[in-house]
This record gives sequence, structure tokens and C-alpha cells, in this order.
Amino acid sequence: DVKVTQSSRYLVKRTGEKVFLECVQDMDHENMFWYRQDPGLGLRLIYFSYDVKMKEKGDIPEGYSVSREKKERFSLILESASTNQTSMYLCASSHRGEQYFGPGTRLTVT
Amino acid sequence: AQSVTQPDIHITVSEGASLELRCNYSYGATPYLFWYVQSPGQGLQLLLKYFSGDTLVQGIKGFEAEFKRSQSSFNLRKPSVHWSDAAEYFCAVGDGGYQKVTFGTGTKLQVIP
Repeated sequence: DVKVTQSSRYLVKRTGEKVFLECVQDMDHENMFWYRQDPGLGLRLIYFSYDVKMKEKGDIPEGYSVSREKKERFSLILESASTNQTSMYLCASSHRGEQYFGPGTRLTVT
Repeated sequence: AQSVTQPDIHITVSEGASLELRCNYSYGATPYLFWYVQSPGQGLQLLLKYFSGDTLVQGIKGFEAEFKRSQSSFNLRKPSVHWSDAAEYFCAVGDGGYQKVTFGTGTKLQVIP
């Protein structure tokens, strides 16, 4: 079974803090994605990566950056967390179009 | 740009009744279409996918979906709903490079006894 793990299930941070969300997949997938999920808005793509050190902006990249130094790991960085970044963050990897999701990190910024 | 519309935010059905969840997409070429389910407190799981071929696709848990190009639709169906089907359902469209996938806003299904 494909496994996608995320470093934390719940996270509470203060406004202005730098936040790192880590995602690891164990199936050697080339494509990895970061989404945020908000009620009524579905999943919105923040960034994706199709290879090591390669990244593409998604639909809502503002306020976020990413890092992919190894194939299995894709990190989402909030340079200076703000309250409007309180959300559920989902990581996924994909193979032939099918996306495999991690359990999510519920981030609260106070 | 690709997009997905799920017109029903919330649907309530009785256990044992049939179910149809609507999905309309916008994409310039042949779309890659998906349905995912998210049970309460759980991650997203793929129910089924359409890439090409037979326009009626079967998925897990007794779900099926039909691709209708003329209507730009990919509706999800189940003949008899079980209480465990209560969840949020997301339709998604992917580009030809298997990379970017755009999700709809979801339909929350409530099942009543």
C-alpha cells in the first residue's frame, strides 16, 4: 500500500512564526502536491512538484513556499504565518493521475 | 483553465435509497476524471477514475460513474446507499500530464435510517 505521512496531525502556531509542514511518501512517486482544504471551498492547490528540486505554483501560492530536496519528501513552508492560513493542509503524491493523500495537518494560527 | 462544479453542497438520502451526485467539468481536451471520498476524520480515498474507454466506470464500495462528453458531466451513482456511505465526496479533473488535478467544492452526503 502507498503510504503518505505528514509530520503532524495538529499544529498551533503564533502569527508571524515560520512554519514547516513535512510530507513523506514511500512509493517513489515523482509528483507531489500540497493542498489546503477549507469548508465550502474544497481542496485548493498550493504548490506541486514533478521532480526533485522542481516546483510549480498552484492556484493559491501566496504566502507559501515549498522545498523538495529528496524525491520522497515535500515540505510546505509558511514564511510568516497569518491567521488566514488557519486550515487543513493535505499532502498527496500521484502515479498515473491517481492521487494518494496523507491524513492531513490541521494548522491553527493564533 | 480546468474547473469542476459540484452543484449540490449537501444531500440527504434514506438508507437503501439510490444516490446520484452531480459533477460538471470544464476542460479543453479529453479530461481525466476522478471521484474521491472523505469520511469524517479520514483522509481522501479514490473511489473511481476515468481516463479513456468505456464511459461507465466501476469503483470501490459499489459506486459507479458515467462520463458524458456532450454534457461535460461525470455523475457518481450508487443503487443502494448504506449508512457508512455518509461522507464528503469530491469530483476532480486532471490534465493530460497526470499532474495538476482540480477539485470541486465537495458534496456532503447524509444518510438517514
